[in-house]
Amino acid sequence: SAVISQKPSRDICQRGTSLTIQCQVDSQVTMMFWYRQQPGQSLTLIATANQGSEATYESGFVIDKFPISRPNLTFSTLTVSNMSPEDSSIYLCSVSRQGNVYEQYFGPGTRLTVT
Amino acid sequence: SQKIEQNSEALNIQEGKTATLTCNYTNYSPAYLQWYRQDPGRGPVFLLLIRENEKEKRKERLKVTFDTTLKQSLFHITASQPADSATYLCALLSGGYNKLIFGAGTRLAVHP
Repeated sequence: SAVISQKPSRDICQRGTSLTIQCQVDSQVTMMFWYRQQPGQSLTLIATANQGSEATYESGFVIDKFPISRPNLTFSTLTVSNMSPEDSSIYLCSVSRQGNVYEQYFGPGTRLTVT
Repeated sequence: SQKIEQNSEALNIQEGKTATLTCNYTNYSPAYLQWYRQDPGRGPVFLLLIRENEKEKRKERLKVTFDTTLKQSLFHITASQPADSATYLCALLSGGYNKLIFGAGTRLAVHP
């Protein structure tokens, strides 16, 4: 398994502002992902964070709204830009390891409320 | 489009009984299926993975079946305990086996 931390754990933000969420893993991992989980809904993949290159975004998510960085194998950030109340959600980072990419390990999540 | 369905209604059972949760999928032929547990305010925790050529897999009190003909997986918890109360998510691997598609989850409540 992997130990994953996220900062902040929660935040309340004004509309029109941006928030950057950090994800730190205790060891090197192959893949890092960012998910969104809206209240009562399932997890939706936003993007795969690629080390040293641009993230791969899923349909409905764009880089201008959710810029992602992954400068090394243990750290990634997700920014939620120009926020609106519809962005209120839990944002989760997950990772998988070389040789066992099928199991994913999740961070505790960041609960974002936009007012 | 690919769709995963889990019972949206909570499952309430008595302690000691077997809990059975269902995951159905359509427009999809996954090679792997996973089950996760999610507690309130926490990220999902990986429980079990089953491959398409495996009919059944067990881990302690957990048992998962995978029927690719019915396009269904069943998740069983035997001798259930109140500590098993949580939301259980079914997930399928997609897109070259590096992307997970999740069901909405079924909430299980085990009563003493």
